[in-house]
Amino acid sequence: AQKVTQAQTEISVVEKEDVTLDCVYETRDTTYYLFWYKQPPSGELVFLIRRNSFDEQNEISGRYSWNFQKSTSSFNFTITASQVVDSAVYFCALSALPGAGNNRKLIWGLGTSLAVNP
Amino acid sequence: GAVVSQHPSRVICKSGTSVKIECRSLDFQATTMFWYRQFPKQSLMLMATSNEGSKATYEQGVEKDKFLINHASLTLSTLTVTSAHPEDSSFYICSAEGTVNYGYTFGSGTRLTVV
Repeated sequence: AQKVTQAQTEISVVEKEDVTLDCVYETRDTTYYLFWYKQPPSGELVFLIRRNSFDEQNEISGRYSWNFQKSTSSFNFTITASQVVDSAVYFCALSALPGAGNNRKLIWGLGTSLAVNP
Repeated sequence: GAVVSQHPSRVICKSGTSVKIECRSLDFQATTMFWYRQFPKQSLMLMATSNEGSKATYEQGVEKDKFLINHASLTLSTLTVTSAHPEDSSFYICSAEGTVNYGYTFGSGTRLTVV
């Protein structure tokens, strides 16, 4: 069965601190996609990253970075020098690759609520 | 590119009435549309998946006669909540997928309140 676990329900940090959001996944597929999304209080989902299971390279985008480790089935997300505008709920998700038919739906984690305080 | 427009953003309706939510893909053809609902402080729950021109596939526990999904064209899908009740109050989000983009482009969501 496919599953995504975000063990951290809520995290509170002070501005400029670094923070890592954990994501552990389970899947029997040998190929899959992993995603991170940000959901600010407005409710809109903001796509952050999609990572193919073939590509284990870590990625950096500005203050955001992602650490993908297939050996531990983890896809952790780090925000460096956090800012108040980073306050949101962050979701990790998993899906099969295109061509897998009806199994391509996203499997969502429960989300981590991040509060960055001034 | 890959923009999905969802309307309305907020709606308040009386119990027993029906509400229609629209999602339009503005610059791509959405071959598949996913409809989610989200309760406060919870994750997204997939309600149904629809492919253009086909009947929607509903997730277990989702009443297909209550949540009518139409995906008649490659740019428009609608979710109609029929005979709405207060327990249907929730945040509904659509997500569209085309042949080119595989990033799960999301609409901005509809906050439904049934009074």
